[in-house]
Amino acid sequence: EPEVTQTPSHQVTQMGQEVILRCVPISNHLYFYWYRQILGQKVEFLVSFYNNEISEKSEIFDDQFSVERPDGSNFTLKIRSTKLEDSAMYFCASHRDGNTEAFFGQGTRLTVV
Amino acid sequence: KNQVEQSPQSLIILEGKNCTLQCNYTVSPFSNLRWYKQDTGRGPVSLTIMTFSENTKSNGRYTATLDADTKQSSLHITASQLSDSASYICVVSVAGGYNKLIFGAGTRLAVHP
Repeated sequence: EPEVTQTPSHQVTQMGQEVILRCVPISNHLYFYWYRQILGQKVEFLVSFYNNEISEKSEIFDDQFSVERPDGSNFTLKIRSTKLEDSAMYFCASHRDGNTEAFFGQGTRLTVV
Repeated sequence: KNQVEQSPQSLIILEGKNCTLQCNYTVSPFSNLRWYKQDTGRGPVSLTIMTFSENTKSNGRYTATLDADTKQSSLHITASQLSDSASYICVVSVAGGYNKLIFGAGTRLAVHP
């Protein structure tokens, strides 16, 4: 069964450092998303990506965040200068169109120390 | 403001028993409603997707209902198993644009032997 894969599964970084979270969406999907879940809280939308550009972003997705699809398969989330409050699980998701199932990756647990 | 509210926040039941989880939403424009199962530390996994015209949808022991008039949904789990212990998240998709998903906070279900 096709799946969304994310790497790394766990990343520990020092405050102020840059991190890149990687995702490989399902190959025939067109819509890509990043979500985050702070421990004990609900999943929050960060950004959606379609046709090689950001289609929508939340207020959480400030100038410290950026997304890229550098090679047609990988989909990355970069946090330029991490803060303690960026510690969370980050989930990548993809789906083919709006009314089909969205598949989530297993997440990257980011810990900022 | 687009919101999804779930109840109860947590639930403990004995193995073999049935249970029903509730979801109320104020999302507009509405596209579809999804129920996801999320095991601790893992990505959400889709259980059902329902559009405006669908009242009920089943997936094995899971049955979801949707009342688009009252903007309520429920997830009924029949003959619970220990492996059903997880968070169950109600998610509503916003129509138009890129089908952003609005997540509820989830119901944490514990099935005890």
